[in-house]
Amino acid sequence: AQKVTQAQTEISVVEKEDVTLDCVYETRDTTYYLFWYKQPPSGELVFLIRRNSFDEQNEISGRYSWNFQKSTSSFNFTITASQVVDSAVYFCALSGYTGTASKLTFGTGTRLQVTL
Amino acid sequence: DGGITQSPKYLFRKEGQNVTLSCEQNLNHDAMYWYRQDPGQGLRLIYYSQIVNDFQKGDIAEGYSVSREKKESFPLTVTSAQKNPTAFYLCASSIGGSRGLSGANVLTFGAGSRLTVL
Repeated sequence: AQKVTQAQTEISVVEKEDVTLDCVYETRDTTYYLFWYKQPPSGELVFLIRRNSFDEQNEISGRYSWNFQKSTSSFNFTITASQVVDSAVYFCALSGYTGTASKLTFGTGTRLQVTL
Repeated sequence: DGGITQSPKYLFRKEGQNVTLSCEQNLNHDAMYWYRQDPGQGLRLIYYSQIVNDFQKGDIAEGYSVSREKKESFPLTVTSAQKNPTAFYLCASSIGGSRGLSGANVLTFGAGSRLTVL
């Protein structure tokens, strides 16, 4: 069975602070994919990043960066110089390679509140 | 612009009534999904469909039904058998496995429908 754990339920930071959202996963698959989605107050989930299990390179996209470590089964997400617009619920998700549909296992989400 | 439209955005239902949530996509995606979101529990898969006229149960299908008569549409019916239907429901779509690795497929989500049982 697959499992995703986001131990941080809610994080509050002041604008311009850096913040890291933790994600730990469990899977028996050798090929799998990890995702981060953002859910702003409007409700729809917005895709941020996808990583496959064979690519452990860290990735940076503007103020966002991701640290994938297979040795610790973690896929952490860091926002540098946070802004109020970053306030949202962030979900980490895991998918194996099965069938023709993508069946994601989501974590419980981390609510990030950025204040002035 | 392509995307997913869910309606209604808010819905109130009396106990014992069935209610149908609409989901329409114009992304030409083969696969469609329904997720339920409850506070503190993340998203859980209710049903998914890989092609027209075919659908599969997800992790929490009891008390729900779906149909997939058209590629663009995947309505979800919350029946009176669903014991705790108050939740936020999200519809999503993705390309199918025949057009790419299925596990890698990125899901596009709608804005959700919030159902409240009175």
